[in-house]
Amino acid sequence: AQSVAQPEDQVNVAEGNPLTVKCTYSVSGNPYLFWYVQYPNRGLQFLLKYITGDNLVKGSYGFEAEFNKSQTSFHLKKPSALVSDSALYFCAVRKLSGNTPLVFGKGTRLSVIA
Amino acid sequence: ETGVTQSPTHLIKTRGQQVTLRCSSQSGHNTVSWYQQALGQGPQFIFQYYREEENGRGNFPPRFSGLQFPNYSSELNVNALELDDSALYLCASSLGAGGNNEQFFGPGTRLTVL
Repeated sequence: AQSVAQPEDQVNVAEGNPLTVKCTYSVSGNPYLFWYVQYPNRGLQFLLKYITGDNLVKGSYGFEAEFNKSQTSFHLKKPSALVSDSALYFCAVRKLSGNTPLVFGKGTRLSVIA
Repeated sequence: ETGVTQSPTHLIKTRGQQVTLRCSSQSGHNTVSWYQQALGQGPQFIFQYYREEENGRGNFPPRFSGLQFPNYSSELNVNALELDDSALYLCASSLGAGGNNEQFFGPGTRLTVL
């Protein structure tokens, strides 16, 4: 079965500093990996995905994520945080093969302080 | 904003009642997935519909049921409501049922069971 771990419930970062939101996954076989963001009282908004190819994936709003197969990680990064990046971030995984559901982590709340 | 809409926005029910939540998928999308997001948790997969057929189901009891219509809109029905059913219910549409298809989420329906 697939699973996702987001080890930090909360990440605080000063505006203008780089940010990292951590994600590790467990799946048999090759994974599809996703990051979503959720603003208050809103649904989930897609940020980026990894399927195959380059391990560094670039997404919306200046976010990027690095796929590391040996460490089974897919950390979300941004070189310079904005106050407007403050939100709840979810990492998700599903198997490359077959019809398996998207499995989400518990989420990490990012707070960017001016 | 995605083109996925959900109704109603909020709903209050009492234990034992039944509820129907509705979702209109993004234009051209033939697959709808439903998720339950309890407070402080990541979304959990309930089931998926592909071309009007249930195409996968998570660990939810049979009192959670659904439908997909010829226009690919969908309903989630929950019978015999329990207090633990209080959550944000999200639907997501995608272009297909395959694992690499990005899911576009609606804003959700917040259900409160008293």
